[in-house]
Amino acid sequence: EAGVAQSPRYKIIEKRQSVAFWCNPISGHATLYWYQQILGQGPKLLIQFQNNGVVDDSQLPKDRFSAERLKGVDSTLKIQPAKLEDSAVYLCASSAGTANEQYFGPGTRLTVT
Amino acid sequence: QKEVEQDPGPLSVPEGAIVSLNCTYSNSAFQYFMWYRQYSRKGPELLMYTYSSGNKEDGRFTAQVDKSSKYISLFIRDSQPSDSATYLCATEWSGATNKLIFGTGTLLAVQP
Repeated sequence: EAGVAQSPRYKIIEKRQSVAFWCNPISGHATLYWYQQILGQGPKLLIQFQNNGVVDDSQLPKDRFSAERLKGVDSTLKIQPAKLEDSAVYLCASSAGTANEQYFGPGTRLTVT
Repeated sequence: QKEVEQDPGPLSVPEGAIVSLNCTYSNSAFQYFMWYRQYSRKGPELLMYTYSSGNKEDGRFTAQVDKSSKYISLFIRDSQPSDSATYLCATEWSGATNKLIFGTGTLLAVQP
């Protein structure tokens, strides 16, 4: 069974630029999560989708971050404009349902200079 | 106060040692507790999952939850160099959202 796929794996941008990350969850998984992991910290949930609807986006900085999950499969996370403090690894995870184990992708490492 | 506190380490032990990793949490309503292992440049993977208080054993790994003191532990017996990774404790709001709250992670190095 293929795991959660993410791209790109690495991205370097200048502050105030925009960036987008892509996630392809495990086939059939209804729930998709985006986490932000700053160096030396644990992952923090940014947004959770159930199919293509948002379940929880309480910690998403909505003035600069946006996410969508069209057709309930792939998802994109966008940052516009980026700030230095957005430098982190962005992890995508999926699960069969809200009560099931979450499987994580390898993450996208973002550096904002 | 953070919801889940974890000593970041790093922790260095010789091969074969017993490793003890610990977390504390603040909210007595938390009922589900997990340990994730994260290798460098990889995403976290679920290692152990426990509900409420008690012990759970899986091979060389034992997870322990003490709800009276809000304390979570992971023990690794006969540690191996391949166990070198960051270990993240996590808890989950019981209910519909499956939202995980992670500790900061403890970096473990097992020296051959």
